[in-house]
Amino acid sequence: KQEVTQIPAALSVPEGENLVLNCSFTDSAIYNLQWFRQDPGKGLTSLLLIQSSQREQTSGRLNASLDKSSGRSTLYIAASQPGDSATYLCAVRPTSGAGSYQLTFGKGTKLSVIP
Amino acid sequence: NAGVTQTPKFQVLKTGQSMTLQCAQDMNHNSMYWYRQDPGMGLRLIYYSASEGTTDKGEVPNGYNVSRLNKREFSLRLESAAPSQTSVYFCASSEDRDSYEQYFGPGTRLTVT
Repeated sequence: KQEVTQIPAALSVPEGENLVLNCSFTDSAIYNLQWFRQDPGKGLTSLLLIQSSQREQTSGRLNASLDKSSGRSTLYIAASQPGDSATYLCAVRPTSGAGSYQLTFGKGTKLSVIP
Repeated sequence: NAGVTQTPKFQVLKTGQSMTLQCAQDMNHNSMYWYRQDPGMGLRLIYYSASEGTTDKGEVPNGYNVSRLNKREFSLRLESAAPSQTSVYFCASSEDRDSYEQYFGPGTRLTVT
C-alpha cells in the first residue's frame, strides 16, 4: 500500500528565506505527483503537477522536483512571503489498476513565514 | 467560472439523522471525487466517479452512498450519521485526460453529535 510522508510537519521561517518542503513515497509506480496548498478552513489549491516522466515543474517562485526512483519530491519556495503561510500537501496517483483514480495524500507541512 | 462548488458549508447533525452533501463543477470534467479530511489522518477518498454513470468505492466508503446525477453533479449521502463521520468533506473533479489534475471545492464542515 502506498504511503506518503511529509517532513517536517511544521516549519517556521523568516520572510525572504528560500525553503524546501519534502515529500517521500514508498511505491515508485506512480502516474504523477501533485502539490497542493491549503489555507485554514479552506479547500485545496493545486500548485504544481509533475508527470512521472518529468523531473521538475516551475510556477513563479515555486519549483517542484521529482525523483521517482528514490521515491522523493521537493517543493522549493524562493524568497518566501507571509502570504505563503499555509499547509502544503503532496499527493501521488498510481499508474494503473482499480485504484488508479485514488490519490494518496501526505499529512502536510504547515508553513509559517514570519514578517 | 465557479470551479467546484459545495453545499452546505457547515452542518450539524444528530446521530441517526440523514443528509446529502451536494457538489457541482462547471469545468466539464469527467471524473469527480469525495474525500474526507480528519486531523492526523490526512485526506482519504470515500467514493469517486470516473465518468457519468459510474461510481466506485475509495478507501473509506462505509456509511456513505453517492449519486452521479449528471456530468456536473456528484452527491454524497449519509443515511444514518454517526459521530465518527464528523469531518470536513471535500469534493474534487478532474479531466479524464493526460494529467488528471484534481481541483477541489471549499469543503463542508460536518459535526455529528
